[in-house]
Amino acid sequence: EAGVTQFPSHSVIEKGQTVTLRCDPISGHDNLYWYRRVMGKEIKFLLHFVKESKQDESGMPNNRFLAERTGGTYSTLKVQPAELEDSGVYFCASSRYTIYEQYFGPGTRLTVT
Amino acid sequence: AQTVTQSQPEMSVQEAETVTLSCTYDTSESDYYLFWYKQPPSRQMILVIRQEAYKQQNATENRFSVNFQKAAKSFSLKISDSQLGDAAMYFCAFSTNKLIFGTGTLLAVQP
Repeated sequence: EAGVTQFPSHSVIEKGQTVTLRCDPISGHDNLYWYRRVMGKEIKFLLHFVKESKQDESGMPNNRFLAERTGGTYSTLKVQPAELEDSGVYFCASSRYTIYEQYFGPGTRLTVT
Repeated sequence: AQTVTQSQPEMSVQEAETVTLSCTYDTSESDYYLFWYKQPPSRQMILVIRQEAYKQQNATENRFSVNFQKAAKSFSLKISDSQLGDAAMYFCAFSTNKLIFGTGTLLAVQP
């Protein structure tokens, strides 16, 4: 069974540019989560999809962040326009059931200069 | 608000020795899960161990075990017979759905 994959592994962009991160969950996992770790701080929840629907987006920092999950498969997280404080590692995780253990992808390291 | 606290930013252990990583949490929920995740340098975060709050028995996975004290809201991780491959950042996490993480403990294993 393939694990959670994320693309790209690393992205360096300039302030004001747009970046799109992609996450492919484990096949059959309806639940998909986005998290991020900024500046060595704790990993913080961004949002949760159940299939294609946003179940909880309480962690999204502002309207510069847009997440989608078309067809309930892969998900994208777009940052537009990027700011310096958006730098960090963005993790995606998936699970078959809510409250159960989540399987993490390797993360995308975003650097905004 | 639900919070998770890991009070040890860094720990060190000798190979083959035992080390305990501390974690406390705060919640008003009665039904939840607790997890320890491990992230080796430049590698993927993986689940080490899981504890259901309704279970009184402490979870164990080979050399890894937890001391779950529900009343005290404490969830420590014990690593026995430490190996070089155990060196990693360890995150304690609480979940009623989304995961709430502590700040992590960086564990070094000395040969």
